[in-house]
Amino acid sequence: AQSVTQLDSHVSVSEGTPVLLRCNYSSSYSPSLFWYVQHPNKGLQLLLKYTSAATLVKGINGFEAEFKKSETSFHLTKPSAHMSDAAEYFCVVSDRGGGFKTIFGAGTRLFVKA
Amino acid sequence: GAGVSQSPSNKVTEKGKDVELRCDPISGHTALYWYRQSLGQGLEFLIYFQGNSAPDKSGLPSDRFSAERTGGSVSTLTIQRTQQEDSAVYLCASSFLRGDQPQHFGDGTRLSIL
Repeated sequence: AQSVTQLDSHVSVSEGTPVLLRCNYSSSYSPSLFWYVQHPNKGLQLLLKYTSAATLVKGINGFEAEFKKSETSFHLTKPSAHMSDAAEYFCVVSDRGGGFKTIFGAGTRLFVKA
Repeated sequence: GAGVSQSPSNKVTEKGKDVELRCDPISGHTALYWYRQSLGQGLEFLIYFQGNSAPDKSGLPSDRFSAERTGGSVSTLTIQRTQQEDSAVYLCASSFLRGDQPQHFGDGTRLSIL
């Protein structure tokens, strides 16, 4: 069965510094992996997705993530944080085991200090 | 184009009352999901609809919860005899297919049980 672990419940960075949000997954098949962002009182918005093409995936708002099969990781990065990046981020895995059920990580709240 | 629409955006009701939450998915999306998000928590899967197939109800927490999807489009989540622990944000999402297709989320219904 697939699973996903977000290694940090909270991350705090200063504006203009790099962002790293960590995600490890478990999957018996070739997984699809996603990162979503949720701003307060809003639904989730897709940042990027990996579906067995290029291992380095570029998303919206300057975010990117690298699929590393050997480390079963899919960490989200951004070179320079902006105040508007403060939000909750969810890593998501889906594979054909169990009928493509989608598993959400517990989320990482990103704080950005001025 | 129009995104996923949920109504009402907020609902306050007394314990023991029934509530209905509505979701209008993106036109053409065959898959529809309901999730529950308690304060500061991740997403809890409730139910999944795919076309004319039998829904996956494996996430419904009790028999007070039910959902239907009429005509393969609009969905209604019903909670009977509401309890205070039902207070949460209920999120709806839709996609073309389950699996490697990203889900598009509505802004949710914030349900408060007094």
